[in-house]
Amino acid sequence: KAGVTQTPRYLIKTRGQQVTLSCSPISGHRSVSWYQQTPGQGLQFLFEYFSETQRNKGNFPGRFSGRQFSNSRSEMNVSTLELGDSALYLCASSLSGGAETQYFGPGTRLLVL
Amino acid sequence: KNQVEQSPQSLIILEGKNCTLQCNYTVSPFSNLRWYKQDTGRGPVSLTIMTFSENTKSNGRYTATLDADTKQSSLHITASQLSDSASYICVVRSGGSYIPTFGRGTSLIVHP
Repeated sequence: KAGVTQTPRYLIKTRGQQVTLSCSPISGHRSVSWYQQTPGQGLQFLFEYFSETQRNKGNFPGRFSGRQFSNSRSEMNVSTLELGDSALYLCASSLSGGAETQYFGPGTRLLVL
Repeated sequence: KNQVEQSPQSLIILEGKNCTLQCNYTVSPFSNLRWYKQDTGRGPVSLTIMTFSENTKSNGRYTATLDADTKQSSLHITASQLSDSASYICVVRSGGSYIPTFGRGTSLIVHP
């Protein structure tokens, strides 16, 4: 069974631009969560989607948004990029979320110049 | 505010030696605690999960303990191998919402 895939793997943007990252979960998994990882803050929870609905949201500004499609694939969007948005963005999937084991993708490394 | 603190921040040991990593949390209500291993350039992989009623959980050479009264957990690695070099992250999920709070991780380096 294929694992979680994320595209693109690397991205360079400039301040003020917007970016869209994509995540394809493991087949059959309906819960997708997004995380931001930086050297200073570590891993932080962005949001979780289940059956195309946002179920939980972390403490991030409204510039960070996401959505999930009927095939469980998910995208996250960051608008008006700031230098501090440079990070590794990780996506994780599980069957139905909650306390289940999540399986992480390799991440998208975003650099904002 | 929910917090997860890990210690030490980094650790260097010789191959074959044992080590113990610590995790203290203030997350409430508590649902479960996981330890993840994250190799450089890859996503985290779950090692163990523990709920309120569990004291010890093993996964091969990895043994996690949980003291729910003192809100402390430890991850013990036995007979370390070079492949154990990684970041180990403690994650606590809140009851109800299951929103995770992450520790900043312990960076472990195993030298031959």
